[in-house]
Amino acid sequence: DTEVTQTPKHLVMGMTNKKSLKCEQHMGHRAMYWYKQKAKKPPELMFVYSYEKLSINESVPSRFSPECPNSSLLNLHLHALQPEDSALYLCASSQALEGYTFGSGTRLTVV
Amino acid sequence: QKEVEQNSGPLSVPEGAIASLNCTYSDRVSQSFFWYRQYSGKSPELIMSIYSNGDKEDGRFTAQLNKASQYVSLLIRDSQPSDSATYLCAVSGGSYIPTFGRGTSLIVHP
Repeated sequence: DTEVTQTPKHLVMGMTNKKSLKCEQHMGHRAMYWYKQKAKKPPELMFVYSYEKLSINESVPSRFSPECPNSSLLNLHLHALQPEDSALYLCASSQALEGYTFGSGTRLTVV
Repeated sequence: QKEVEQNSGPLSVPEGAIASLNCTYSDRVSQSFFWYRQYSGKSPELIMSIYSNGDKEDGRFTAQLNKASQYVSLLIRDSQPSDSATYLCAVSGGSYIPTFGRGTSLIVHP
């Protein structure tokens, strides 16, 4: 299995909603990441989990809350988002210094 | 601040030509270099990785690395319309977290 699976693919949520994005990989990668990407911009790092521990938090607002239940799963909990949070949210995994395998992303729209 | 610079383009080439995409980086201790292809509305896909000076070939793709001059390039031979996408250069140093360039938009016209 050489895939990173993200669900849902599309999400529309109101500013008072709580939702979660899910990511799963079965490649044995020990590093997992959340990125945010706006149109015509490069991916922007949000969080890094290494061996299931949060190792990098790029000063992301607390309305985004990551969780790593085990070595294969990564969640991103969303609460009280703003319209400017609308973006493509990408999960990725990697092993050591190898490149990333990205999931297909969740297209999030906050209304 | 680590920087990775790419010409945003668009780079327009005719079908069958060689497309040459360039990337420069500022961190001299960079060790790993990657090229990702991203189609509009899709997620990035790793197409090449290179770690040592010289050329690395994979099918129609060749990555070239010159650490002394701090640049990495991607050549696409026999370009096809299906190669039309944004190509992201990514560079990582001692940590395994890469810095992404802003990407170069490639258009291959029939």
